[in-house]
Amino acid sequence: DAKTTQPPSMDCAEGRAANLPCNHSTISGNEYVYWYRQIHSQGPQYIIHGLKNNETNEMASLIITEDRKSSTLILPHATLRDTAVYYCIVRVWGTSYGKLTFGQGTILTVHP
Amino acid sequence: SQTIHQWPATLVQPVGSPLSLECTVEGTSNPNLYWYRQAAGRGLQLLFYSVGIGQISSEVPQNLSASRPQDRQFILSSKKLLLSDSGFYLCAWSADRRNSPLHFGNGTRLTVT
Repeated sequence: DAKTTQPPSMDCAEGRAANLPCNHSTISGNEYVYWYRQIHSQGPQYIIHGLKNNETNEMASLIITEDRKSSTLILPHATLRDTAVYYCIVRVWGTSYGKLTFGQGTILTVHP
Repeated sequence: SQTIHQWPATLVQPVGSPLSLECTVEGTSNPNLYWYRQAAGRGLQLLFYSVGIGQISSEVPQNLSASRPQDRQFILSSKKLLLSDSGFYLCAWSADRRNSPLHFGNGTRLTVT
C-alpha cells in the first residue's frame, strides 16, 4: 500500500472548518483514500473514502487533487467532539482483502 | 443495520494465563473479519484477518491465535499471556466488496500484570 504523510498535529477553533491534509504521492490507480478518526479509548470510526472524485457525506468532505497525490479532509463546522486522531489511509484490494494500514495520523484539537 | 460487539471492554490478566476475546457481528453475512492491536502510544497493527469460516491469515508472528468458528464470530486467543501482549485489541468487519470500509468495535483494553 502507498504510504501517507500527515502533519502530527493541528488546531482548529470551534465552529470553523478544519482542513486536514494528507500526501500520498506514490498512490497507484487502483488505490482508494480512506479517512478514519479515533477518539481516545475508542475504536476507529470510518469517516469517508474516495478514488478520484470529491466526496461528501454527513460527516465530512474529501477533496482529492487531480493527480491524486494528495487529499484534504474537511470538517465544515468543527465541534469540541471532533477532537481526535485523524488517519489518512491508502488502501488497495490485494491479498489481504482490503486491510487498512494505519500510520501515526494527525491529532486535531478543537478549541472553544 | 450492522453492529459489531466486542467483550470484555477491559481485562486484567496475569502473565502465563490464557486469553479469549470474542467478537460478533450482526446484520450482515459472510463478512471479512479483522483483529488489530494498538500498543500504548503506537499505531494500529493488523494481527489476523478472515475471509470465511475456518479461514485465518496471520499478519505477524506472535503469541496469539485467532479462530472463526461461525460466520459472524471471531475469537482471539492465547495459551500463555506475555507482558508484551498488553494493549488495546480491536475487532473490525467489512463487506467482501472492493471499496467496503472497515467498521471497528469499541475494543478490549488488556493489561497483563
